[in-house]
Amino acid sequence: DADVTQTPRNRITKTGKRIMLECSQTKGHDRMYWYRQDPGLGLRLIYYSFDVKDINKGEISDGYSVSRQAQAKFSLSLESAIPNQTALYFCATSDPGQGATNEKLFFGSGTQLSVL
Amino acid sequence: RKEVEQDPGPFNVPEGATVAFNCTYSNSASQSFFWYRQDCRKEPKLLMSVYSSGNEDGRFTAQLNRASQYISLLIRDSKLSDSATYLCVVRRSENDMRFGAGTRLTVKP
Repeated sequence: DADVTQTPRNRITKTGKRIMLECSQTKGHDRMYWYRQDPGLGLRLIYYSFDVKDINKGEISDGYSVSRQAQAKFSLSLESAIPNQTALYFCATSDPGQGATNEKLFFGSGTQLSVL
Repeated sequence: RKEVEQDPGPFNVPEGATVAFNCTYSNSASQSFFWYRQDCRKEPKLLMSVYSSGNEDGRFTAQLNRASQYISLLIRDSKLSDSATYLCVVRRSENDMRFGAGTRLTVKP
């Protein structure tokens, strides 16, 4: 079983629709992240959360919102989807216990979102 | 200018070849550095952290040059299974990791 699970794997939606991408993890990590990946641009951070009561904007948060329902769950919402939000979305977790040099990200399998 | 820059490739090499990738970063205060590997349309996975003194893990060697603000990844004796995109990742602060767009490697028989 995957340690970081994203649902759905693929989603096609129309402009203006509200959609939610879900992420759950069994790693017991406090830190969770949402990234998007676009060709030629690398991954960019949308939002992150260092614990259940902590929500922070990342590099590109406009048009997105998140909810940290529990330590294990972190969902990403697009309130009104637009075509330039078409991308591959990744959820990730990390554990800072090993120190910054060794803190690595564990990614889910990704959600390919297409907004028509 | 992108904060983390990589040659997108593709690098096409025969099995057994040695191949090297470089990555430059613009923020001199960056704290730590990593190489991740990403197979096509799949999630990135950590390949190795990059330490100041350089480090090796089997056929993979990573180097950091803080003065010139670049990191490198050397792969010796390339295998078909090394075909992937290699992502350079730079941590600027506790909550700020920046990803390069990746360098694509194809190892051919």
